Amino acid sequence: DQQVKQNSPSLSVQEGRISILNCDYTNSMFDYFLWYKKYPAEGPTFLISISSIKDKNEDGRFTVFLNKSAKHLSLHIVPSQPGDSAVYFCAGVNNAGNMLTFGGGTRLMVKP
Amino acid sequence: NAGVTQTPKFRVLKTGQSMTLLCAQDMNHEYMYWYRQDPGMGLRLIHYSVGEGTTAKGEVPDGYNVSRLKKQNFLLGLESAAPSQTSVYFCASSYSSVQPQHFGDGTRLSIL
Repeated sequence: DQQVKQNSPSLSVQEGRISILNCDYTNSMFDYFLWYKKYPAEGPTFLISISSIKDKNEDGRFTVFLNKSAKHLSLHIVPSQPGDSAVYFCAGVNNAGNMLTFGGGTRLMVKP
Repeated sequence: NAGVTQTPKFRVLKTGQSMTLLCAQDMNHEYMYWYRQDPGMGLRLIHYSVGEGTTAKGEVPDGYNVSRLKKQNFLLGLESAAPSQTSVYFCASSYSSVQPQHFGDGTRLSIL
């Protein structure tokens, strides 16, 4: 039973447009959520996080939205750049704070 | 500034062989983690440690053992490798349970 799901395995957008990556979760006990970005042959790198008590967090071109009633979060990248092409993972952190539960990832391709 | 270093980067084993994966971090982090990544499933937590001398089971601990004898090192052992353990293994560390985790670049392990 996957507690965190990313239902779109891939997404292709044009450079300069908005990229929207989605994530659904089933565990109501997650305290906060994170997005990680992963390039091939490298480890994931932290991108942005959001506490479960907030509905939006913004950092430069990246904004994460959380809809607790729908158990849904999304990552918006505006404007998208070719260097954003990577696999993006969302993850939930349990209320003990010691476990990350990852989604399966979405591969983003930004075309020049 | 090495961050999190994993050794080796690649390894091929035969079924039944044993081996140890080494993770070293130079950030003085208390928390360390071992994950495995399989296609379409994101990263799953194998074991983690909240400090020197401590270890705890994650989501998929069977067939693996870990040790944290020194704060900077976290070892993952496979006592009797099985083909189902073919995966990419990632180590991560964090300063605390609420801080984002920093990942190594992974170890690709194939078991024939």
